[in-house]
Amino acid sequence: GAVVSQHPSRVICKSGTSVKIECRSLDFQATTMFWYRQFPKQSLMLMATSNEGSKATYEQGVEKDKFLINHASLTLSTLTVTSAHPEDSSFYICSAREEVDSPLHFGNGTRLTVT
Amino acid sequence: GQSLEQPSEVTAVEGAIVQINCTYQTSGFYGLSWYQQHDGGAPTFLSYNALDGLEETGRFSSFLSRSDSYGYLLLQELQMKDSASYFCAVDGAGKSTFGDGTTLTVKP
Repeated sequence: GAVVSQHPSRVICKSGTSVKIECRSLDFQATTMFWYRQFPKQSLMLMATSNEGSKATYEQGVEKDKFLINHASLTLSTLTVTSAHPEDSSFYICSAREEVDSPLHFGNGTRLTVT
Repeated sequence: GQSLEQPSEVTAVEGAIVQINCTYQTSGFYGLSWYQQHDGGAPTFLSYNALDGLEETGRFSSFLSRSDSYGYLLLQELQMKDSASYFCAVDGAGKSTFGDGTTLTVKP
């Protein structure tokens, strides 16, 4: 089955630093990848839709300059949390789909803690 | 926009059958998906309905009625390991929108 790899799984960083999270589709080409954020006991909130070779589409309320998304190839998308602050601490999850009407395949998530 | 409603919590005993309902409002609809998430883990895909009717995958089944904007996930022969959060998600307008999730607790 389709596999999405997300790295790192856990990261602790100091306030003011930047953190990069990678999301790779291992056995399929993903023209579209999605980045979600999830707070404890809450639902997955879509942050942005990442399309290969073009700028990401951000959801309302998500700061483009703070959450930089790059979709460099059909198998790789990265999310960079710039100048992280404690309120950015959350579970970040990427997902990808092979076709428009196919199910989402999720990475294992990245738990970010900003101290 | 898109919005979904599902119950926040459901409790059942081992071996029982549980149905988790999901109603949605959406502009543009490709399908309804169901995902399972255990504490601390990422969501995993369970089932997908693009057309009306029942889809069966082992102990799990999912149903969709597009005219009623309604679907459900049916879990049979419940096991302790089924205790988790279950999310319905509407695929439309090029993205998926998730419900708030239903926490299922299976008791012995």
